[in-house]
Amino acid sequence: AQSVTQPDIHITVSEGASLELRCNYSYGATPYLFWYVQSPGQGLQLLLKYFSGDTLVQGIKGFEAEFKRSQSSFNLRKPSVHWSDAAEYFCAVGRSGAGSYQLTFGKGTKLSVIP
Amino acid sequence: GAGVSQSPSNKVTEKGKDVELRCDPISGHTALYWYRQSLGQGLEFLIYFQGNSAPDKSGLPSDRFSAERTGGSVSTLTIQRTQQEDSAVYLCASTSDFSHEQFFGPGTRLTVL
Repeated sequence: AQSVTQPDIHITVSEGASLELRCNYSYGATPYLFWYVQSPGQGLQLLLKYFSGDTLVQGIKGFEAEFKRSQSSFNLRKPSVHWSDAAEYFCAVGRSGAGSYQLTFGKGTKLSVIP
Repeated sequence: GAGVSQSPSNKVTEKGKDVELRCDPISGHTALYWYRQSLGQGLEFLIYFQGNSAPDKSGLPSDRFSAERTGGSVSTLTIQRTQQEDSAVYLCASTSDFSHEQFFGPGTRLTVL
């Protein structure tokens, strides 16, 4: 069975500082990996995804993530955090099913940004 | 609107009552998912509809939970005889046949007193 671990429940960074959110997955085949962001009271928005090819993927809002197969990781990074980035971030792994993909989510990392 | 919509946005009910939560997916999307998000937890998969195929109900936590999707579009998640542990945010997502991106609705916050 697939699983996702986000080791950090809550991270606080200062505005302008760099950010790295950790994600480790367990999956028996080549994974499809996603990062979603959830702002308070909102649904989830896709930040970026990895299916194949270049292991460094760029997403929206200046985020990027790197797939490292040897470490079973897909960490999310941003070089300079903005106050508006305060939200909860979810890593997810997908598996193939009948034309679409079921996702298994981590428990999320809540990001707080200090002005 | 072009996004996934859910109603109601908030629902407060008494223990033992039945509730129905509605999801309107993006027009043309063939796949629809329901998830449950409890406080401090990630998203828990509940059920998945794909076109006219039989739904994948493997995530439903008990037989009090059921869902249907009429005409391949709107879906209703029903919880019978609600319990306090059913309190959570219920999220719906949809995706098209050849896309791997799930588009999420804003969710329904269910509170069972």
